Amino acid sequence: QVQLKESGPGLVQPSQTLSLTCTVSGFSLMDYSVHWVRQPPGKGLEWMGRMKYDGDTYYNSALKSRLSISRDTSKSQVFLKMNSLQTEDTAIYYCTSHPFAYWGQGTLVTVSS
Amino acid sequence: DIVMTQAPLSVSVTPGESASISCRSSKSLLHSNGITYVYWYLQKPGKSPQLLIYRMSNLASGVPDRFSGSGSETDFTLKISRVEAEDVGIYYCGQLLENPNTFGAGTKLELK
Repeated sequence: QVQLKESGPGLVQPSQTLSLTCTVSGFSLMDYSVHWVRQPPGKGLEWMGRMKYDGDTYYNSALKSRLSISRDTSKSQVFLKMNSLQTEDTAIYYCTSHPFAYWGQGTLVTVSS
Repeated sequence: DIVMTQAPLSVSVTPGESASISCRSSKSLLHSNGITYVYWYLQKPGKSPQLLIYRMSNLASGVPDRFSGSGSETDFTLKISRVEAEDVGIYYCGQLLENPNTFGAGTKLELK
């Protein structure tokens, strides 16, 4: 049974760094890519980037300078780090795979002092 | 980046009737392998998006056959036959042909 679950802080201060973890089960990170997608409150979906099954990464050019995606295959975890957070980064952050057939529940990140 | 344009932005449907949502891409989504990389998702209120249609016309697992997808290289349609209360939410099209993967702005489906 494929499952993905996001975890991380619910509140981040402006200019600080966001660190999120996506823990997966039911499949291997070496077989399927994992994507990160975010959704500001009341708005649409924005693709952020992905960790490909072979270890390559791809980023949305709009976020590339601030974003890093990595993984630990032994722990079945994919990590997202994004620096210089601003209030407009407030959003629900999802990880998804297969591709986009399976989604985590999402985690709300609020950027506020 | 490939721009995905959806229409209409909202639609109100009587239960039991059908609904169609359109999506247009700024570039052909037909790959040289013959696969058209357009996907459809439904986001129910307060929930994560769920995949409805993959590769333009393939029904995702567990999705009722009231849903169907069709289209050409740049123009796509999601059709919902016999709309039910559980179909309420926001429908998104998306493309997986190129990075960055992009989504349409969404179409909100409500019941009359």
